[in-house]
Amino acid sequence: AQSVTQPDARVTVSEGASLQLRCKYSYFGTPYLFWYVQYPRQGLQLLLKYYPGDPVVQGVNGFEAEFSKSNSSFHLRKASVHWSDWAVYFCAGNMGYKLTFGTGTSLLVDP
Amino acid sequence: NAGVIQTPRHKVTGKGQEATLWCEPISGHSAVFWYRQTIVQGLEFLTYFRNQAPIDDSGMPKERFSAQMPNQSHSTLKIQSTQPQDSAVYLCASSLVTRGDTEVFFGKGTRLTVV
Repeated sequence: AQSVTQPDARVTVSEGASLQLRCKYSYFGTPYLFWYVQYPRQGLQLLLKYYPGDPVVQGVNGFEAEFSKSNSSFHLRKASVHWSDWAVYFCAGNMGYKLTFGTGTSLLVDP
Repeated sequence: NAGVIQTPRHKVTGKGQEATLWCEPISGHSAVFWYRQTIVQGLEFLTYFRNQAPIDDSGMPKERFSAQMPNQSHSTLKIQSTQPQDSAVYLCASSLVTRGDTEVFFGKGTRLTVV
């Protein structure tokens, strides 16, 4: 069955520190992959998406993600976290029209 | 572009009552989706319309849930005889076309509370 796994329910980082949020996928083939962010009482907003090609994808607000076929992973990174990055981050895969989401990672930022 | 608009933002219903949730997709988008978000189950796909036609309702609980798209500017999700387990945030989304790499735009959701 198709699935996306985010093994970390919660991650806490200090403001200015680097960040990595983990995502693993399980699909028959290589899906299109996405990272969405959800701020409190808001809908989901797209951070970035993966196209087959360059394994490193640049997104908004300094986020990037690296795709690895050998590891079935699509980890999200940011070099320097800002307090405004405090939110829930969802990894998602899509082979046709239906997004399959991970369970989300809550990012807490220590001032 | 106001994005995907969902109304109401919050709805409280008594157990056994009916709830209707409204969605206005982004103008010109041919694909409309409904998802449900709960703490326990996370984000779950419910149903999908393409050019107003129902294509996939595999995520819909069969007996009490129904979705319609009577015209290109709005979709409704109706829950009959609501139960406490229906309490969730219901997210409507739309995309320009139906393709795996297409960005899907989400509304802010309707928080349904069944008491």
